[in-house]
Amino acid sequence: QLQLQESGPGLVKPSETLSLTCTVSGGSVSTSTYYWGWIRQPPGKGLEWIGNVYYSGSTYYNPSLKSRVTISVDMSKNQFSLKLSSVTAADRAVYYCARLRTDDSFDIWGQGTMVTVSS
Amino acid sequence: DIQMTQSPSTLSASVGDRVTITCRASQSIGTWLAWYQQKPGKAPKFLIYKASSLESGVPSRFSGSGSGTEFTLTISSLQPDDFATYYCQQYNSFPYTFGQGTKLEIK
Repeated sequence: QLQLQESGPGLVKPSETLSLTCTVSGGSVSTSTYYWGWIRQPPGKGLEWIGNVYYSGSTYYNPSLKSRVTISVDMSKNQFSLKLSSVTAADRAVYYCARLRTDDSFDIWGQGTMVTVSS
Repeated sequence: DIQMTQSPSTLSASVGDRVTITCRASQSIGTWLAWYQQKPGKAPKFLIYKASSLESGVPSRFSGSGSGTEFTLTISSLQPDDFATYYCQQYNSFPYTFGQGTKLEIK
């Protein structure tokens, strides 16, 4: 059964880069069937789509974050990653990685990881 | 961006009740709509895709309907495990967007 697990620092300083990794187990990130995505949720608020990546490296980003976001795949480690630069307090959120079905709905989610932005 | 608006924001109901949550899109999205259930401190759980298709393993008391701009999620007979927050999400076009959520509370 496919499982996703986010990892990375829980605390990032303002203006620095947030870096998170999603490890895929029970399946392969290099499958041609699925995209992989990142979604975030500020405390007490709703869900915001960040972006998607395909095993080939092709990406789609939310325009509201596009200038600061990079999502990539590392097939050798069976992982995909999120980098968000120039973070501010507004980037404080639980970050989820997820798998996209062929129709682009998010069917499998990681448990999420909380990232706080503070000096 | 396509705006997704859910109503109500909060819904109080009792075990055994039939409840309906509405999700409206600011423009037509066909049937490219998903529903998720989220409990406190947990990741969203995938319930429904393509507006009305039930994900494998999701109880049949959950159902979805709609197309275009108006969609509904119905729970036919509420169970204690169903009290949670529900989100709709459109994936007709980028950027994918979610509704603000509907919190289903115990009356």
